[in-house]
Amino acid sequence: DSGVTQTPKHLITATGQRVTLRCSPRSGDLSVYWYQQSLDQGLQFLIQYYNGEERAKGNILERFSAQQFPDLHSELNLSSLELGDSALYFCASSVGTGTLYGYTFGSGTRLTVV
Amino acid sequence: DQQVKQNSPSLSVQEGRISILNCDYTNSMFDYFLWYKKYPAEGPTFLISISSIKDKNEDGRFTVFLNKSAKHLSLHIVPSQPGDSAVYFCAASGSHQFYFGTGTSLTVIP
Repeated sequence: DSGVTQTPKHLITATGQRVTLRCSPRSGDLSVYWYQQSLDQGLQFLIQYYNGEERAKGNILERFSAQQFPDLHSELNLSSLELGDSALYFCASSVGTGTLYGYTFGSGTRLTVV
Repeated sequence: DQQVKQNSPSLSVQEGRISILNCDYTNSMFDYFLWYKKYPAEGPTFLISISSIKDKNEDGRFTVFLNKSAKHLSLHIVPSQPGDSAVYFCAASGSHQFYFGTGTSLTVIP
């Protein structure tokens, strides 16, 4: 157990629908990062939050949004889902905002859009 | 645009031999590099890192080499063990985020 909790582990939904993925960071970590891993792709950075504030944005679609709550858990909202959104979505956390210590990853949410 | 590339999707090695996983990057401003290991149904876990001011870092059976002039990173595992069978991702740090490669699936044959 890495200490980063992601729910649900699996999600199957239809095109056009909206889903919410949840992440609880490791205790003491203030930063949360969301990554998407599609088939044969590396981990693509989506967005980072630090202590409730958006800190960095990557290749996140406009149909996707995220937030970090006062208790530091984070949610990634995916709307108007398309078949191509099927992927593994990882959440990671770290102590600070930088990259010195690397990230601790959760086990991911596998999203299947049918 | 993939800034970090792992050109070998898979690698098979006999138990006890050396495994060498390679990674290339394009951005000379990257200053920190890591290797992550991923088992099926689990998230990536940190394995070893190296700062751009060094050219080698060793941790037990794992050694990472950095060649800045070639923008090349490699991970050596000696001796390889069946439990090392996993997907290995390299990552490079820049602009307050990590850029990941597409991974190399290592199979260590007993």
